[in-house]
Amino acid sequence: DAGVIQSPRHEVTEMGQEVTLRCKPISGHDYLFWYRQTMMRGLELLIYFNNNVPIDDSGMPEDRFSAKMPNASFSTLKIQPSEPRDSAVYFCASSLEPGQAYEQYFGPGTRLTVT
Amino acid sequence: AQSVTQPDIHITVSEGASLELRCNYSYGATPYLFWYVQYPGQGLQLLLKYFSGDTLVQGIKGFEAEFKRSQSSFNLRKPSVHWSDAAEYFCAVGSSNFGNEKLTFGTGTRLTIIP
Repeated sequence: DAGVIQSPRHEVTEMGQEVTLRCKPISGHDYLFWYRQTMMRGLELLIYFNNNVPIDDSGMPEDRFSAKMPNASFSTLKIQPSEPRDSAVYFCASSLEPGQAYEQYFGPGTRLTVT
Repeated sequence: AQSVTQPDIHITVSEGASLELRCNYSYGATPYLFWYVQYPGQGLQLLLKYFSGDTLVQGIKGFEAEFKRSQSSFNLRKPSVHWSDAAEYFCAVGSSNFGNEKLTFGTGTRLTIIP
């Protein structure tokens, strides 16, 4: 298996622009998680899905952030409009059904820079 | 609410020396506990986990951790470190309640290995 795939690996954009981050989970995994990592705040859970349905989005910073999972093999995290404080590394992770949901497999991350 | 404290931000160890990374958690019931490792430029990788049973758990790469309920701790150990162990290490706690599959991560401990 190729593992969790994220694209792009690096994104540089200007303030106010829309940013879309993409994730392909490991095939057969029912859970998908989006995290943000910064020096100041560490690793934060933004949202997670179970069987394509959002379960908990309490970590989404504000309305500028949205996430979708249209099918079992694809998810997006969108920021519109982007701001410099959104600069971070965004990770996607996936895991199997309940009981093993904590064995999360992380993608390589997308490093976002908003200027 | 669950939380994790990793009191050491940065630790430097000589190659071949023993290692112990500290982790303290806060959780009302029996927690699920994890250690993840992050190598530079990569996502997190699971080292080991504790759900129940034997309080000394073995992980990959020669790591082990001991759950001590009385001290609310889950410290990570390795008898002899290798230069390739240089990375950031994250302790995490998960809820044992079905339907709440979130992990809460500590702020991480950066491990430097010197010759």
